Amino acid sequence: KAGVTQTPRYLIKTRGQQVTLSCSPISGHRSVSWYQQTPGQGLQFLFEYFSETQRNKGNFPGRFSGRQFSNSRSEMNVSTLELGDSALYLCASSSGTRDVGNEQFFGPGTRLTVL
Amino acid sequence: DQQVKQNSPSLSVQEGRISILNCDYTNSMFDYFLWYKKYPAEGPTFLISISSIKDKNEDGRFTVFLNKSAKHLSLHIVPSQPGDSAVYFCAAPYLQAGTALIFGKGTTLSVSS
Repeated sequence: KAGVTQTPRYLIKTRGQQVTLSCSPISGHRSVSWYQQTPGQGLQFLFEYFSETQRNKGNFPGRFSGRQFSNSRSEMNVSTLELGDSALYLCASSSGTRDVGNEQFFGPGTRLTVL
Repeated sequence: DQQVKQNSPSLSVQEGRISILNCDYTNSMFDYFLWYKKYPAEGPTFLISISSIKDKNEDGRFTVFLNKSAKHLSLHIVPSQPGDSAVYFCAAPYLQAGTALIFGKGTTLSVSS
């Protein structure tokens, strides 16, 4: 079974630009969650999508948005990039059932650098 | 408000000895907890989980203990191996519907041979 894939793996942008990151979950998984990892804040939850609907949202400004397609693939978009948006963006997929046995599987991440 | 806390940023252990990684939480409503391991330039990988109705779960060299009265859990690795050197994250699911996780800030484990 193929794992979670994220594209691109690395990205360099300048302040003010916008960026779109893509995530393909494990086949059969209907839930996709996005996280931001920075050295100071650790892993912070951005949002979760399940069956094309946003099910949960973390405490991030409206510049961060996402969507999920009918094939469960997901994209996240960051508009008007700031230097502080430089981070590793991780996508995780799961079956979507809340249960101790249903863990999230993470992709390798997209490293975003904002100059 | 940090609901899941890992107060030790780093831990150094010798090969063959026990590694104990600690995690505290503030919300007694969490229904399960998970531990993830992360190597540089990779996404986190799931290690082990525990339901809030249990106090221990074991999987090979990894054992997680849950002390609900103290709101504390720990991950024991016995024996520790150099390949265990990584960042370990404790996590719990958000209380709203869904499977999204709240993570601690992680503990970097270094196992020396």
